[in-house]
Amino acid sequence: GIQVEQSPPDLILQEGANSTLRCNFSDSVNNLQWFHQNPWGQLINLFYIPSGTKQNGRLSATTVATERYSLLYISSSQTTDSGVYFCAVATGNQFYFGTGTSLTVIP
Amino acid sequence: KAGVTQTPRYLIKTRGQQVTLSCSPISGHRSVSWYQQTPGQGLQFLFEYFSETQRNKGNFPGRFSGRQFSNSRSEMNVSTLELGDSALYLCASSLYGTSGGISYNEQFFGPGTRLTVL
Repeated sequence: GIQVEQSPPDLILQEGANSTLRCNFSDSVNNLQWFHQNPWGQLINLFYIPSGTKQNGRLSATTVATERYSLLYISSSQTTDSGVYFCAVATGNQFYFGTGTSLTVIP
Repeated sequence: KAGVTQTPRYLIKTRGQQVTLSCSPISGHRSVSWYQQTPGQGLQFLFEYFSETQRNKGNFPGRFSGRQFSNSRSEMNVSTLELGDSALYLCASSLYGTSGGISYNEQFFGPGTRLTVL
């Protein structure tokens, strides 16, 4: 299967700071998603971004499929941004998840 | 449009028992995937169903099985439970298709079923 690596594994930020999360994958993919898992375990869709750049409020994402990586940018972080961020890639119908980046935003 | 629903939300079983979990996808979605999440192994793919057919299967023993009904609702079953089966089981539905020659397969997750095996 496809190997998905996320970095950094852990991140602690002061409220208001910016951050960049990275997702590297080992093979060509036709789909890529970013998720935020809240403390109750729910995976929240952030971006569906097999290629290109998208923005949604303080969050934006860029996927460079030819170079096999994606970046998630969080600007002006808030305490509610805390949680685990997952990258998932798919070839065909099966998704492979990274091990996540655990983000803690302190006030 | 209602999201993905999973029942039950919490479950406690003992070793050797079996369990059935249910997932109702978003209306119109025909693909349902199941994942197991544990602290040690992360999120692992179990299987995926589309139009009542299993299209993909992860690397899990035969004790883990699933099925999909004609209304796209899906169930997964774990027989002869082991302590290591304690996990959060997540179901995802997707509207798989193609548009302009490009495939799309955005997954939407349910809240999960937290299974504890004693």
